[in-house]
Amino acid sequence: KAGVTQTPRYLIKTRGQQVTLSCSPISGHRSVSWYQQTPGQGLQFLFEYFSETQRNKGNFPGRFSGRQFSNSRSEMNVSTLELGDSALYLCASSLGFGGARDTQYFGPGTRLTVL
Amino acid sequence: KNEVEQSPQNLTAQEGEFITINCSYSVGISALHWLQQHPGGGIVSLFMLSSGKKKHGRLIATINIQEKHSSLHITASHPRDSAVYICAVRSWTSGGSNYKLTFGKGTLLTVNP
Repeated sequence: KAGVTQTPRYLIKTRGQQVTLSCSPISGHRSVSWYQQTPGQGLQFLFEYFSETQRNKGNFPGRFSGRQFSNSRSEMNVSTLELGDSALYLCASSLGFGGARDTQYFGPGTRLTVL
Repeated sequence: KNEVEQSPQNLTAQEGEFITINCSYSVGISALHWLQQHPGGGIVSLFMLSSGKKKHGRLIATINIQEKHSSLHITASHPRDSAVYICAVRSWTSGGSNYKLTFGKGTLLTVNP
């Protein structure tokens, strides 16, 4: 079974631009979660999508948004980029039904640099 | 004070040593996760715990719900165990209609041959 894939792996943008990141979950997984990782703040939860609906949201401004398609693929968008948005963005997929067997599988991440 | 505190921040061990990484949290939780992150960013979910103890190979994770504390143990450590180990707790948001994941800052483990 193929793992979680994220594209692109690296991205350089300038302040004010917007960016879209993509995540393809493991086949059969219906939940996709997004995380931001920075040296200063560590890992922070952005949001989770399940069956095309946002099920949970972290404490991030509205510039951060996402969506999920009917095939469970998910995209994350950041508008009006700021220098502080430079980070590793990770997505993780799971079956989505909770419980001890609902392990999250992480993708390799997208490294975003904002200049 | 952070909701999730890990200790130590950095740990250096010799191959074969028994390793313990601690995680304390201050909120009520529905589950606790231990994650492993190797240089380059790849994250692997090691355990998800809501009570008791779990074992997988040389890794053991325990949780004490009353004391709000979890430990990750590595027996017979090996250089390939060198990584950042991250504790994360799953807790319900106010109103109980949603949950959030809060992460510790991680413990950098280096195992020397």
